[in-house]
Amino acid sequence: QKEVEQDPGPLSVPEGAIVSLNCTYSNSAFQYFMWYRQYSRKGPELLMYTYSSGNKEDGRFTAQVDKSSKYISLFIRDSQPSDSATYLCAMPIIQGAQKLVFGQGTRLTINP
Amino acid sequence: GAVVSQHPSWVICKSGTSVKIECRSLDFQATTMFWYRQFPKQSLMLMATSNEGSKATYEQGVEKDKFLINHASLTLSTLTVTSAHPEDSSFYICSALQGALEQYFGPGTRLTVT
Repeated sequence: QKEVEQDPGPLSVPEGAIVSLNCTYSNSAFQYFMWYRQYSRKGPELLMYTYSSGNKEDGRFTAQVDKSSKYISLFIRDSQPSDSATYLCAMPIIQGAQKLVFGQGTRLTINP
Repeated sequence: GAVVSQHPSWVICKSGTSVKIECRSLDFQATTMFWYRQFPKQSLMLMATSNEGSKATYEQGVEKDKFLINHASLTLSTLTVTSAHPEDSSFYICSALQGALEQYFGPGTRLTVT
């Protein structure tokens, strides 16, 4: 079993829809939860990260963490074609080198 | 947000030659940088952790003599692919650690070995 599981999709939704992207994890030691967005042939861009269970909002993006279920989500409201990208969840291993453990990434397409 | 650059963005080299890729943190100092490799439609695979002034730490299965990493300053890490072969063709991405937690990624370097 992988430490972080993420449905690779692809996921295709119409413009304006609410998008829900999800990851599950198995390591209880994970304390921080990050979301990256990666456009084709570009490096990942840090969208936001959370520490505790609950919600964190940044513009059209909301990150949600449920530590009891080991489940995290990223919601995108009023989705735009420019949101079309691959979204990766990631969790840092705090001890030592702060390496990131990534999910497989979900390919998202927003159709105009 | 923090900015990380990579150079070159795309390189083509002949089999058997060596290629150097640079990773720079432009507006912050980074004691720790990371090098990743990414194949099409796959997630990032960590190759090594680069620490300024010390030897890099390589992930299991990554040949340290083939992928030479040098972190000579707090803003520059380099990855040299030695004696490149077509199977080394890939997308190489670096990241720099700002503070204790936030990793900022470069735009990536596409390497094609002919």
